[in-house]
Amino acid sequence: AQSVTQLGSHVSVSEGALVLLRCNYSSSVPPYLFWYVQYPNQGLQLLLKYTSAATLVKGINGFEAEFKKSETSFHLTKPSAHMSDAAEYFCAVSDRDGGFKTIFGAGTRLFVKA
Amino acid sequence: DTEVTQTPKHLVMGMTNKKSLKCEQHMGHRAMYWYKQKAKKPPELMFVYSYEKLSINESVPSRFSPECPNSSLLNLHLHALQPEDSALYLCASSQMDKTNTGELFFGEGSRLTVL
Repeated sequence: AQSVTQLGSHVSVSEGALVLLRCNYSSSVPPYLFWYVQYPNQGLQLLLKYTSAATLVKGINGFEAEFKKSETSFHLTKPSAHMSDAAEYFCAVSDRDGGFKTIFGAGTRLFVKA
Repeated sequence: DTEVTQTPKHLVMGMTNKKSLKCEQHMGHRAMYWYKQKAKKPPELMFVYSYEKLSINESVPSRFSPECPNSSLLNLHLHALQPEDSALYLCASSQMDKTNTGELFFGEGSRLTVL
C-alpha cells in the first residue's frame, strides 16, 4: 500500500530564506509524486509532479523538488521565500494504473515572517 | 483561473434538507472525483467516476449520492446530513488516456455547513 509522510505540520521561515518542506513516501512500485498548494478557502493547485522523466522537477512559483529513490523522499524547496508562499502544502502519491487513488500527506502549513 | 467550476461556493442546510453540489469541467477529462476536506486535514476521497460510471465509492454513507449526468458534469446530492458532515467539498478531474499521470485538477470547493 502506498503512503506519504510529511515531516512537520508547521514550518516557519523568514521572507527571503530557504523553504524546505519534507516528504517521504512508501510504494511497492515506482510512483507518481506530487506537491499541491492550498491557499485559504480555495481548492488545491498543482505545484509540480514527478513522473520518472527527471529526478529534479521544477514547478510553478520558483519551487522545485528532487526525487531520491534511495531515501524514498521528495522534498520541496524554494531558494527564497515570499510572503505570498504562506499556504498549506500537500505531498501526494498515486500509482501508475490510472491514478484514481491519490494518497495525500497530512499537510504542512508554511508561515512566512516579514 | 480554475478550469473546474463548483457551485455553490457556500451552502448552509438543516439536517432535513435536500440540496445538491454541482461541478463542471470542460477540459475533456473523463475521470471526476469528489473529495471531502475537514479543517486542517488533507482531502479524503469519496467517489470516483470514470467514463460517467461510478468506479470507486469509499464507503461513503448513503446520505451522499453522486451523479454524473455527462462527461462534463458531476453532482453530489445531499439528504439528511449530520453536523459532522460540515466540510469543504472539493471536485476534481483528471485525464484518462495514456498521458494520465494522476494529476488532479481541483475546483475551489463548496463550503458546507449543516445546522
